[in-house]
Amino acid sequence: GEDVEQSLFLSVREGDSSVINCTYTDSSSTYLYWYKQEPGAGLQLLTYIFSNMDMKQDQRLTVLLNKKDKHLSLRIADTQTGDSAIYFCAESIIRDSSYKLIFGSGTRLLVRP
Amino acid sequence: GAVVSQHPSWVICKSGTSVKIECRSLDFQATTMFWYRQFPKQSLMLMATSNEGSKATYEQGVEKDKFLINHASLTLSTLTVTSAHPEDSSFYICSVQGTLNEQFFGPGTRLTVL
Repeated sequence: GEDVEQSLFLSVREGDSSVINCTYTDSSSTYLYWYKQEPGAGLQLLTYIFSNMDMKQDQRLTVLLNKKDKHLSLRIADTQTGDSAIYFCAESIIRDSSYKLIFGSGTRLLVRP
Repeated sequence: GAVVSQHPSWVICKSGTSVKIECRSLDFQATTMFWYRQFPKQSLMLMATSNEGSKATYEQGVEKDKFLINHASLTLSTLTVTSAHPEDSSFYICSVQGTLNEQFFGPGTRLTVL
């Protein structure tokens, strides 16, 4: 089946690290993605990881992938108040002969000053 | 990544009227585009996959006669909500599929039906 799950809420203090977790079900997903959504806006692609990788780092962002457990995480180092937003993980699946994204429910990150 | 715009950014209409939302890919030739709907504090719900030059593929439960999609060029897809009702009020977001199957999203259109 197609299901992506995330915790709903995370609160951290400014300067600390944030870790947002995600589990997915489709083991054939080629790519997994992290998106950020600010209030009233569309989704911004933050980063992605290919399924044969374990880790990807991009400036303050680190993505870890445990393919055996189908677990994906996003670590934000030195979290800033501007990082407050909803973060969605997504897996890429094939359905009706085309690639589609299945999104998690989103994790609301609140960064306290 | 691709730059995607949507127009209008918000619209208020009377019940029974039709509303057209445009999604433009400004710097990328978009063979495949998607339309989503998002309710407050919820995730995105895929409505349909729009392929340039062919009919859209609708997700289960989405009425194709109510949500008309046209993807006549590589830069433009339109979603028309026909005979809108208050329950159609929502945030509609389009996206463009990239070369790694990632999607680049527009800023969204907030539709309010009175």
